[in-house]
Amino acid sequence: EDKVVQSPLSLVVHEGDTVTLNCSYEVTNFRSLLWYKQEKKAPTFLFMLTSSGIEKKSGRLSSILDKKELSSILNITATQTGDSAIYLCALSYNAGNMLTFGGGTRLMVKP
Amino acid sequence: EAQVTQNPRYLITVTGKKLTVTCSQNMNHEYMSWYRQDPGLGLRQIYYSMNVEVTDKGDVPEGYKVSRKEKRNFPLILESPSPNQTSLYFCASSLAGAAYEQYFGPGTRLTVT
Repeated sequence: EDKVVQSPLSLVVHEGDTVTLNCSYEVTNFRSLLWYKQEKKAPTFLFMLTSSGIEKKSGRLSSILDKKELSSILNITATQTGDSAIYLCALSYNAGNMLTFGGGTRLMVKP
Repeated sequence: EAQVTQNPRYLITVTGKKLTVTCSQNMNHEYMSWYRQDPGLGLRQIYYSMNVEVTDKGDVPEGYKVSRKEKRNFPLILESPSPNQTSLYFCASSLAGAAYEQYFGPGTRLTVT
């Protein structure tokens, strides 16, 4: 069974649009929820979220965890072509040593 | 330069022929991990290691072996590869307890025919 489910699977937008990516999970005893960006190579770390519900921001990207809804969203405002990538979310548990990833959302930003 | 290296980067092999994918990091990290990535499935953790001689199974360990004899190296061994192990493999490392901020290697694309 899938513990982490991301939606949509893929998304095509135009530069300047705002997008919201979703990550839903079934596991409740996890340490943190993580977001990564993967371009044509290895994933790079974006955010770590905990059950505190505190929003994280970095430039045009922001993310928050909704403990009641068992989900997290990643928002990207004023999208640019450089935002085109696969966005992955993952749950960290077992003292942070195990990561379970969702299937990813492929975002394409057109000029 | 801090980095994780993997070799080979690309490999085409046949069913049953043992192979090893090497992984090395130069950051003195305690934690290392192997993942495979398949379309639509994200990354799935194969094995991880919290330190020398300490390894544990991830979500999909079947058909793989690992060893951690030195802190910097964490090879992935496929004793008898099968076509369903055709995938993109990533090695990663981090400080202990900080697996969220892992440094990933460049990936190894393996094809088993």
